[in-house]
Amino acid sequence: GENVEQHPSTLSVQEGDSAVIKCTYSDSASNYFPWYKQELGKRPQLIIDIRSNVGEKKDQRIAVTLNKTAKHFSLHITETQPEDSAVYFCAARFGGYQKVTFGIGTKLQVIP
Amino acid sequence: GAVVSQHPSWVICKSGTSVKIECRSLDFQATTMFWYRQFPKQSLMLMATSNEGSKATYEQGVEKDKFLINHASLTLSTLTVTSAHPEDSSFYICSARGTSGAYNEQFFGPGTRLTVL
Repeated sequence: GENVEQHPSTLSVQEGDSAVIKCTYSDSASNYFPWYKQELGKRPQLIIDIRSNVGEKKDQRIAVTLNKTAKHFSLHITETQPEDSAVYFCAARFGGYQKVTFGIGTKLQVIP
Repeated sequence: GAVVSQHPSWVICKSGTSVKIECRSLDFQATTMFWYRQFPKQSLMLMATSNEGSKATYEQGVEKDKFLINHASLTLSTLTVTSAHPEDSSFYICSARGTSGAYNEQFFGPGTRLTVL
């Protein structure tokens, strides 16, 4: 069935450094890849997304890249700040279906 | 825009009782709503997808007779956990998706923390 793999599960970086989280998906029909940030006890918040007709998208310190051939997509956070500390989930929407499958999440800790 | 609310935000109940959780899209019409369950330090697991006016589609392993979903209007979906047991204790999150423009994507509710004693 559909599967989204995410790594690493935990990531610690020094403030100001970059953080990269990687995901792979199994269904080549996937066409939409959102990234969510979830702080403890709160709802997931969409931070950036990318569609299959685009290879890269950037929004200030956050960027996402997509390699459709390899079925990889990655989240890049530059100049990390302590408030970036949270759990980040990648997700993929498969084909014509509306449901989104989430990765296991990456707990990012930015050390001041 | 794109506000999704959930009620209650937390609930504690005795084993064997039923609990109803409401999910509302406040400023857009949600043709599709999704219900997720999230255990501590784990990912969001999709339980079911509901489309307004039709029966919900449950994911494999989710008991539809235990987790009753109703999506009677374009702004409201409910999840009822019937005969709740301690193992049902979890964080339940709904999300809603519209059909047009900025509301074509999923927006999450704040979640409901269920504790079954």
